[in-house]
Order: sequence, then structure tokens, then C-alpha cells
Amino acid sequence: EDQVTQSPEALRLQEGESSSLNCSYTVSGLRGLFWYRQDPGKGPEFLFTLYSAGEEKEKERLKATLTKKESFLHITAPKPEDSATYLCAVHAGKSTFGDGTTLTVKP
Amino acid sequence: DGGITQSPKYLFRKEGQNVTLSCEQNLNHDAMYWYRQDPGQGLRLIYYSQIVNDFQKGDIAEGYSVSREKKESFPLTVTSAQKNPTAFYLCASSIDLAGEAEAFFGQGTRLTVV
Repeated sequence: EDQVTQSPEALRLQEGESSSLNCSYTVSGLRGLFWYRQDPGKGPEFLFTLYSAGEEKEKERLKATLTKKESFLHITAPKPEDSATYLCAVHAGKSTFGDGTTLTVKP
Repeated sequence: DGGITQSPKYLFRKEGQNVTLSCEQNLNHDAMYWYRQDPGQGLRLIYYSQIVNDFQKGDIAEGYSVSREKKESFPLTVTSAQKNPTAFYLCASSIDLAGEAEAFFGQGTRLTVV
């Protein structure tokens, strides 16, 4: 059975304090690992797709990396508007989502 | 603007009632999905469809039903057999039938049993 575990559950940062979110996965035949951002009461919004170990993608203050067992979402110098829940999902025939990391960035 | 529209945004259901959640997309995507999200949890797959007139059960299909009569539409019915239906329901679509492309989500329907 495919499993996705995200840590920490919640993360509180000061504005400008960089950190990383973790997504550990167990899956047979990974076809893609996805990161989404979800604001309260809204649907998730796509951020990145990673397909193979060693792959990296960047967008503004966010950088996603992938190994054979986990993915990291690095947040550099975060701003309050980066506050959201970040969801990781793996796809191997069907998508399996983690429970998310809720990030709060204080000014 | 292309996208996915879910309606209504809020829905209240009495015990023993069936209710139907609407999902429409104009992205010309073949694959459509329904997920359930409970507080503090990730998304769990209810049903998915890769083509008109065909759909498959996801991980938590019991108490739910769907139809796919048109490419653009994938309504979800929450039946009285679903014992704990209060949740946030998300519809999504994807261009890639193999699931290797990202999903586009609607804004969700929050269902509450009263």
C-alpha cells in the first residue's frame, strides 16, 4: 500500500527564517511526486511535479527536491503570504496524499 | 477563463437525505476525480473517471455514487448510506490519464449534516 508521511504537522516561522518541509513516501513504481499549496477553505493549487531522484524545481521562494525515499520543500526567506498548508502527493497508478504541513509565517 | 466549478459552496443535509454535489470543468480534461478532506487530514479518493460513461471506485467509495454522462461534468451523490458525510469535498481534473500530470482543483463544497 502506498504511503505518504509529511512532517512536521505544523511549522511556525518568523518572516525571513528559512526552513524545509519533508515528505517521505513508500510507493511501488513512482510516476510523479506533486506539491500543492492549500489556503483555508480553498482547493489545492499546484506548485511542482518531480519525476526522478535528483530532480529539483524552483519557484520564487520555494524549491522542491526529490530522492528515492523523500522530497523536501525548501522555503527561503518566507513572507507572511507564504502561510498555507502544503500537501505532498505521490502517483503510482492513483494519487495518494499526505496530511499536509501547515506553515505560519509571522511578520 | 478555464477551470473547475464546484457548487454549491456550502450544503446542509438532513439525516437520511441524498444530496448531489456539482462539478463542471471547461479544461477539456479526460480524467476527473472526487476527494474528501477531513480537518487536519489529506485528501482521500472517492471516485475517479477517465472517460465518459466509465468510472472507478477509489479508497472510500462506500455511501457515494457518481455519473459521467458528459466529459465536462462529474457529479457526486452523497447517499443516506454514508454515515459520516460531514466533510470538505474537492473535485479535480487532469489532462493525463496516467496521472503523471498535475491536477486542477475546484474550490470545494463543504457539506454539513444537520
